[in-house]
Amino acid sequence: DQQVKQNSPSLSVQEGRISILNCDYTNSMFDYFLWYKKYPAEGPTFLISISSIKDKNEDGRFTVFLNKSAKHLSLHIVPSQPGDSAVYFCAASHSGTYKYIFGTGTRLKVLA
Amino acid sequence: SQTIHQWPATLVQPVGSPLSLECTVEGTSNPNLYWYRQAAGRGLQLLFYSVGIGQISSEVPQNLSASRPQDRQFILSSKKLLLSDSGFYLCAWSPSGGLFGYTFGSGTRLTVV
Repeated sequence: DQQVKQNSPSLSVQEGRISILNCDYTNSMFDYFLWYKKYPAEGPTFLISISSIKDKNEDGRFTVFLNKSAKHLSLHIVPSQPGDSAVYFCAASHSGTYKYIFGTGTRLKVLA
Repeated sequence: SQTIHQWPATLVQPVGSPLSLECTVEGTSNPNLYWYRQAAGRGLQLLFYSVGIGQISSEVPQNLSASRPQDRQFILSSKKLLLSDSGFYLCAWSPSGGLFGYTFGSGTRLTVV
């Protein structure tokens, strides 16, 4: 049972345009969400987080939106840069546990 | 500052051979420790996590085991590797006592042949 889903395995975007990566979850107990970026043969690096008491969190070019009623979150990257080309994972957890459940990832390719 | 070390970076092992992957964290005490695996075409699957020495929680029944002999050391093992154990193994840590994000190690690419 995949509790965190990233239904788009890949996405291509022109440099300078907006990249939107989506993530859906099924467990209504999840109350903390993360986005990670991963290059090949490297460990994922943390990008941005959001808790369920917010619906938006912004950090530079990265913004995460949370729609609790739809159990959906999205990561917006504006403007997209070639260095953003990587696999992006969303992850979810809930208070009282010590673990995150990760999605299957979306491979973003930013075209120069 | 805190750092996480994971080795080896790559490993090619024959079917039926044993496995030992090691992960250590520096600069913090009593971290939560995790082993994840990224298999081809799949996401990051949680294998084991530990909130203290000798405390191991297993998420997926499999051919692997984990141990935490010291506060900042986490070991992933197998007595006999299977072809299906191939993948990219990641160790991660987070501070204890709350819900925090992980810091991942650089990963080990394991190929079982």
